Amino acid sequence: NAGVMQNPRHLVRRRGQEARLRCSPVKGHSHVYWYRQLPEEGLKFMVYLQKENIIDESGMPKERFSAEFPKEGPSILRIQQVVRGDSAAYFCASSPGRTETQYFGPGTRLLVL
Amino acid sequence: DAKTTQPNSMESNEEEPVHLPCNHSTISGTDYIHWYRQLPSQGPEYVIHGLTSNVNNRMASLAIAEDRKSSTLILHRATLRDAAVYYCILRPRSTTSGTYKYIFGTGTRLKVLA
Repeated sequence: NAGVMQNPRHLVRRRGQEARLRCSPVKGHSHVYWYRQLPEEGLKFMVYLQKENIIDESGMPKERFSAEFPKEGPSILRIQQVVRGDSAAYFCASSPGRTETQYFGPGTRLLVL
Repeated sequence: DAKTTQPNSMESNEEEPVHLPCNHSTISGTDYIHWYRQLPSQGPEYVIHGLTSNVNNRMASLAIAEDRKSSTLILHRATLRDAAVYYCILRPRSTTSGTYKYIFGTGTRLKVLA
């Protein structure tokens, strides 16, 4: 059974460029969560999606950040016009139900130059 | 959001048991207690979870206090591969009782000495 997959594992962008992070949940899981981790800190919740719907985006910055989880294909976290402060590890998790255990992917490490 | 408190770091000798404590004095009656660990440069890995009774699995044991205000993750024989940051997280039981996102603290960094 494949776990949560994220790609790319490492992403380097210059300031002002766009970053697209992809997450394929565990097969059969329809709930996806995105978290961000700054160096030496715990993970911070960003957004929770359930197939085609954003359920909770309370942790996601209002500008430049967006997320989607289409009917077909992976979930995408998109960061427009990246700044150095966006440099972090971004983790995706999935679960089969809203209150069930979340399983995390290996993360995408974004470095903004 | 219910909060957990853990020591910043702990050390253990290899092959010895490790007891990782977590305080959660504001826990509600419907919150599950989850433990995850994060190895360097990896995503959090599920370890164990419980509600009221002690739980065992192949990775660890979870001892939950009778009043549920604290819990302890027990690694029976620490190995070098157990060196990681261990997070204690509260998770609501039903969709009507609170949030469904994980609230991570800073966790406990476990160092295992050879």
